[in-house]
Amino acid sequence: NAGVTQTPKFQVLKTGQSMTLQCAQDMNHEYMSWYRQDPGMGLRLIHYSVGAGITDQGEVPNGYNVSRSTTEDFPLRLLSAAPSQTSVYFCASSWTGSTGELFFGEGSRLTVL
Amino acid sequence: SQQGEEDPQALSIQEGENATMNCSYKTSINNLQWYRQNSGRGLVHLILIRSNEREKHSGRLRVTLDTSKKSSSLLITASRAADTASYFCATDLTHGNQFYFGTGTSLTVIP
Repeated sequence: NAGVTQTPKFQVLKTGQSMTLQCAQDMNHEYMSWYRQDPGMGLRLIHYSVGAGITDQGEVPNGYNVSRSTTEDFPLRLLSAAPSQTSVYFCASSWTGSTGELFFGEGSRLTVL
Repeated sequence: SQQGEEDPQALSIQEGENATMNCSYKTSINNLQWYRQNSGRGLVHLILIRSNEREKHSGRLRVTLDTSKKSSSLLITASRAADTASYFCATDLTHGNQFYFGTGTSLTVIP
């Protein structure tokens, strides 16, 4: 049982490049979400999904896109990377939205030069 | 703006002592959860307390919730060096599927 798997673990981008952070879970969770973690800021919600075909914005959605075509996968796309998007990104999933514990991946560390 | 704020930001104690960290939040919640994060790792769920509960225990963890003061505390008893980590509270608001995390308390337990 792998849980929540994020790839890549590390990535360096140049300003303006695009990329996709992958997130997959094998627990049949309906709820999936993306957070970014910055020093002194805690975790901030970027986007979330309550099921396949349904996505919504969180606290800091600008510059990021998501889609949810399957229950298992929830990729996060950076359209045109900026240095302000240098961060550690975490994907998390849950059985339900507001009542379940979140299961986190190990994180993807992104540096934008 | 962030929903939760923990204090203290950092806490250093000797092994065997108790560690208490606090979380304050701004608006009404469904539940409050505590998570632990070891350095360089993802977060791990510790305990969930519902808005109609006042206290909950799990092993060496004790969580309290005071909805009138919009605050919660996490007590770790008889701390161990392995408890060294950052601890975060997370709240989910009554109107949506969004979890808000605080800025965390960094706990160091000295052997």
